Amino acid sequence: GENVEQHPSTLSVQEGDSAVIKCTYSDSASNYFPWYKQELGKRPQLIIDIRSNVGEKKDQRIAVTLNKTAKHFSLHITETQPEDSAVYFCAASGDDKIIFGKGTRLHILP
Amino acid sequence: DAGVIQSPRHEVTEMGQEVTLRCKPISGHNSLFWYRQTMMRGLELLIYFNNNVPIDDSGMPEDRFSAKMPNASFSTLKIQPSEPRDSAVYFCASSIHRVDGNTIYFGEGSWLTVV
Repeated sequence: GENVEQHPSTLSVQEGDSAVIKCTYSDSASNYFPWYKQELGKRPQLIIDIRSNVGEKKDQRIAVTLNKTAKHFSLHITETQPEDSAVYFCAASGDDKIIFGKGTRLHILP
Repeated sequence: DAGVIQSPRHEVTEMGQEVTLRCKPISGHNSLFWYRQTMMRGLELLIYFNNNVPIDDSGMPEDRFSAKMPNASFSTLKIQPSEPRDSAVYFCASSIHRVDGNTIYFGEGSWLTVV
């Protein structure tokens, strides 16, 4: 069945540095790739998404890239801030199903 | 809009008891999803509905789990009998179906502890 692999599982970066989270997916029919941020004790919330007709998308300090040939997509956070500390989930969807990666716990170090 | 509404927010129950989790999707959304989140397994899709019809329940762990959506504004996830390994956060989410991908919105979750 569909599978989404996410790396790393934990990431620590110095405040102000960049963070990169990478995902791969198995279903070549996937055409929608959202990213969610989950703070401790709260629900996952959409922060950015990308559709398969686009290779890159940016929203302020957050950017996503998609390589459909390689079935890779990535989340880039620049100029990290303490409030970026959270768990980030990538996901892939080819029909109505949305399959999530296992998550990356991002720590922003002072 | 109030968003996806789930109840109860927290439940502690004894092993063997029946547990019913409830969800009200965002008005106008026609797809509804039930996910289970644990540290070990992450966010697992249990079942999803389109226009109140169950489409894929391959993620439902076993016969002890069942889900229904009697109308567009209400769904339940039932566990009978419950076991300690069912302890998890259960999220309901909803979306408007799009051919180029659905953006799903999560409820606050139901935190279930089975002792």
